[in-house]
Amino acid sequence: QKEVEQNSGPLSVPEGAIASLNCTYSDRVSQSFFWYRQYSGKSPELIMSIYSNGDKEDGRFTAQLNKASQYVSLLIRDSQPSDSATYLCAVRTRFGAGTRLTVKP
Amino acid sequence: SQTIHQWPATLVQPVGSPLSLECTVEGTSNPNLYWYRQAAGRGLQLLFYSVGIGQISSEVPQNLSASRPQDRQFILSSKKLLLSDSGFYLCARSKHTGNYGYTFGSGTRLTVV
Repeated sequence: QKEVEQNSGPLSVPEGAIASLNCTYSDRVSQSFFWYRQYSGKSPELIMSIYSNGDKEDGRFTAQLNKASQYVSLLIRDSQPSDSATYLCAVRTRFGAGTRLTVKP
Repeated sequence: SQTIHQWPATLVQPVGSPLSLECTVEGTSNPNLYWYRQAAGRGLQLLFYSVGIGQISSEVPQNLSASRPQDRQFILSSKKLLLSDSGFYLCARSKHTGNYGYTFGSGTRLTVV
């Protein structure tokens, strides 16, 4: 079992829709969870961090953590074409392979 | 400023040649520093991390090595490159204590031919 797993996608949503990205992890003792956005050819950029169960909102982004289910998700509301990128889930120092999101105008 | 400088941006090297990638960081002293590699279409693989000068931990045994000669300098090296060393090499930093996520440098895209 991979340490951090994400749906590889690609995920395509229309502009204005909600994009939902999911991630599961295997290390039960992990306390730190992150979402990064990576545009094609660029380095990753940290967009969300979450440390406790529940939801954390930052603008159009909401991160959700369920430690019992070992599940982290990222919701992007009112998706914009500029949100088109690969989204990487990270648990401490371990990264998933990423989910490619395309937002169509 | 938490800026990370990496160079070069792009590198093409023949198999068997040596490698030296340098990363320098600005901002707070004594950061945790990391080298990651991203192969084409894949996730990030942690190669090395350092919590201080001269302190290097290796995650994956391979023909790469790392050194931290100064607080804000982190170097990735190889004596002889393999084709499988091709990838996007990223230097990252985090705060010295705790785990607050990374700031990444702009990366070096290495192609071994």
